[in-house]
Amino acid sequence: GIQVEQSPPDLILQEGANSTLRCNFSDSVNNLQWFHQNPWGQLINLFYIPSGTKQNGRLSATTVATERYSLLYISSSQTTDSGVYFCAVRKAGNQFYFGTGTSLTVIP
Amino acid sequence: DTGVSQDPRHKITKRGQNVTFRCDPISEHNRLYWYRQTLGQGPEFLTYFQNEAQLEKSRLLSDRFSAERPKGSFSTLEIQRTEQGDSAMYLCASSLGRTLSGNTIYFGEGSWLTVV
Repeated sequence: GIQVEQSPPDLILQEGANSTLRCNFSDSVNNLQWFHQNPWGQLINLFYIPSGTKQNGRLSATTVATERYSLLYISSSQTTDSGVYFCAVRKAGNQFYFGTGTSLTVIP
Repeated sequence: DTGVSQDPRHKITKRGQNVTFRCDPISEHNRLYWYRQTLGQGPEFLTYFQNEAQLEKSRLLSDRFSAERPKGSFSTLEIQRTEQGDSAMYLCASSLGRTLSGNTIYFGEGSWLTVV
């Protein structure tokens, strides 16, 4: 399978701060998605981004497929951004491989 | 349009009992996935359906686990003779799969299983 490493594992921010989360993967992939898992356990799609850059409000993501990494940027963080952020990748077939996540806590 | 729904949301069962989880995917999504997540870990793939065909199964899916999607719509995941190690959240996801945007997978809220 594909190894997916996320960093940092834990992050504590003051409200209003910016952050960058990283996802490294061990093989070429044809699908990469970022998710936010809320305190109730639901995984919410943030981005489908196998390559390139996308932005959605205060969030943006960049994937450099040739170098096998993706970055998730959170600007002007809010307490509602707290939770665990997962990167998931797929090479071929149908199985997505998830990292162990970055746990984000935003303090008021 | 409703999202992926799972039932029950929580289940406590005694070791050795059988449990069944149900997943209703997003309407018209032909791809359906089951994942398992334990505390502090990312979700792990269990199995995948395209329409009613089960096309891929993980080694994690022991012979005590069985999944079906009889009419290509809802799916069930049954665990027989539950063990304490089966305690986890079981996640269902679906995707459309026919277009680039259809490669996005959408997860349900999960079914928490506690085996006592």
